[in-house]
Amino acid sequence: QVQLVQSGAEVKMPGASVKISCKASGFTFTNYPIHWVRQAPGQRPEWMGRINAGNGDTIYSQKFQGRVTITRDTSASTAYMDLGSLRSEDSAVFYCARDLSKSPEGIYSGHVTGVFDIWGQGTMVTVSS
Amino acid sequence: DIVMTQSPDSLAVSLGERATINCKSSQSILYRSNNKNYLAWYQQKPGQPPKLLIYWASTRESGVPDRFSGSGSGTDFTLTISSLQAEDVATYYCQQFYTVPPWSFGQGTKLEIK
Repeated sequence: QVQLVQSGAEVKMPGASVKISCKASGFTFTNYPIHWVRQAPGQRPEWMGRINAGNGDTIYSQKFQGRVTITRDTSASTAYMDLGSLRSEDSAVFYCARDLSKSPEGIYSGHVTGVFDIWGQGTMVTVSS
Repeated sequence: DIVMTQSPDSLAVSLGERATINCKSSQSILYRSNNKNYLAWYQQKPGQPPKLLIYWASTRESGVPDRFSGSGSGTDFTLTISSLQAEDVATYYCQQFYTVPPWSFGQGTKLEIK
């Protein structure tokens, strides 16, 4: 079945980095953009960035620019999100999500829409000294 | 950046009754060239990721029950659950995907059973 499976929970010191993986199955990985979303406890989700899994193009939210790097390994159908200079507000659940990639006519497009139709189960990151 | 504001923050509805959640964007998210509103709705239950319900403001995602419907245009949108079921207890988020990133979510509406 179509799914994204993320790596497990992490505990990090302030200032450290964390790298989370997101393995795709049930669909052609390189045909879809993959996004990363942060959700702090009790807060709304926040879009961090995305990668075009086909050509590797990335775009990041200005809020996370300079701290976040999204990469992918097409041979493993896996996307990665690396977040550095961790601080307390990064204690959150991080999700990867597949882009819907449909045109307004409802046809697969392969392009970014900004709608997230398949989500990973989430990875809890705790930043604490 | 476009700011999304939902109302109410929480809502209690009796089983079988209608639930209505509102979402307002700080600017129009209607793209006039294709007459599409770039608005999505998600449902999130505790400990789970969000689940896509509706996109283009009113297109129901495959597998979503037809008691869920979306409406509205421009800056004002509504998610309606026509007959509340126990499994609909969740937090609901609207999200705009109109502009180049960042795409933004509303603050959420917590729906409970009265």
